[in-house]
Amino acid sequence: NAGVTQTPKFQVLKTGQSMTLQCAQDMNHEYMSWYRQDPGMGLRLIHYSVGAGITDQGEVPNGYNVSRSTTEDFPLRLLSAAPSQTSVYFCASSYGLFGLAGAQETQYFGPGTRLLVL
Amino acid sequence: SQQGEEDPQALSIQEGENATMNCSYKTSINNLQWYRQNSGRGLVHLILIRSNEREKHSGRLRVTLDTSKKSSSLLITASRAADTASYFCATLSGGYNKLIFGAGTRLAVHP
Repeated sequence: NAGVTQTPKFQVLKTGQSMTLQCAQDMNHEYMSWYRQDPGMGLRLIHYSVGAGITDQGEVPNGYNVSRSTTEDFPLRLLSAAPSQTSVYFCASSYGLFGLAGAQETQYFGPGTRLLVL
Repeated sequence: SQQGEEDPQALSIQEGENATMNCSYKTSINNLQWYRQNSGRGLVHLILIRSNEREKHSGRLRVTLDTSKKSSSLLITASRAADTASYFCATLSGGYNKLIFGAGTRLAVHP
């Protein structure tokens, strides 16, 4: 299994540009999520999905859109990039989060996408 | 706002010493998880402890949970230079569909 993959690894955008960060997993996980990590800080949840067709907001959803048309893919869209969105973005997946035993609640993280908005 | 808060923010020790990191959280939880992040990499799951458990072990890792104090600790025994990383606790909140991370503890283990 490839696990969780993210593309691109690095991206530079100008203010106002749009782009999509790709995330895919081949583990048949129902739960997927997007986090951003800023220097010296932990991860902040942007959006998450508990299954295909179902998405919801996390802690910092403004400026980001998501969709989940398949179990495997969970793209994150920046509609109009702003310098405040400069960050490292991580995608994660798991079988579930609640009520399932042991390793099924473990989050598997992708390698991250470093985004710079000028 | 972040659910978990780690303490200390940074920790520097010598190889062979034990490292203890603490995590405090605000609301009731179903489980608490610890993750490690090496510089420039994604997070890796270390251990999960449920709200009805008080202590859990995995190799050189020992995690405790005190739900009355809303706190957890991660102990790494006989630390190695390879343990140098940031360590994060994470808790479920918001109807158990949101996994919220703390700001992390940066551990440096010197040879």
